[in-house]
Amino acid sequence: DQQVKQNSPSLSVQEGRISILNCDYTNSMFDYFLWYKKYPAEGPTFLISISSIKDKNEDGRFTVFLNKSAKHLSLHIVPSQPGDSAVYFCAARIKAAGNKLTFGGGTRVLVKP
Amino acid sequence: DAGVIQSPRHEVTEMGQEVTLRCKPISGHNSLFWYRQTMMRGLELLIYFNNNVPIDDSGMPEDRFSAKMPNASFSTLKIQPSEPRDSAVYFCASSLGDRGSIEQYFGPGTRLTVT
Repeated sequence: DQQVKQNSPSLSVQEGRISILNCDYTNSMFDYFLWYKKYPAEGPTFLISISSIKDKNEDGRFTVFLNKSAKHLSLHIVPSQPGDSAVYFCAARIKAAGNKLTFGGGTRVLVKP
Repeated sequence: DAGVIQSPRHEVTEMGQEVTLRCKPISGHNSLFWYRQTMMRGLELLIYFNNNVPIDDSGMPEDRFSAKMPNASFSTLKIQPSEPRDSAVYFCASSLGDRGSIEQYFGPGTRLTVT
């Protein structure tokens, strides 16, 4: 049973435009959400996070939005750059369950020059 | 400042052989995680340790898999005997855990191929 889902396996966007990645979750106990970026032959790297007490967190070109009522979060990348081409994973944590994360299946982003 | 170190980076072995994957977490991190990534199942948590103690091993697929963390700077994931369906990329990650932020830092992974 997939508690964290990324329904779009891939996304293609033109350089300079906005990339929007979506993530849905089913467990209302999740209290912290993270986005990771992964290049081929490398491990995932942490990108940005958001606590469930917030609805938005911004870091440079990256903004994460959280809609708790819809159990949905999204990552916006503006403007998109060719170096952003990678696989993006969303992840979620239940504090009471310890520090483990549950990951979505990933979305492959291709930014075209 | 070294990140998470994993060895070997690639491992090719025959079915039935024992495989040992190694991980050195970031110094000062007290939580360590082993993940497996496959096309079918994505990135799944196998086991994690806090302060060298296994906390949750519910993701370990079966008794052929075992993990140890004898000290704060070293962990192993062992598969014995290995099977072709174990072929995957295995990641180790560490975090400050209760000492601070929960962001996990991943190693480069070990690509395991069992023939």
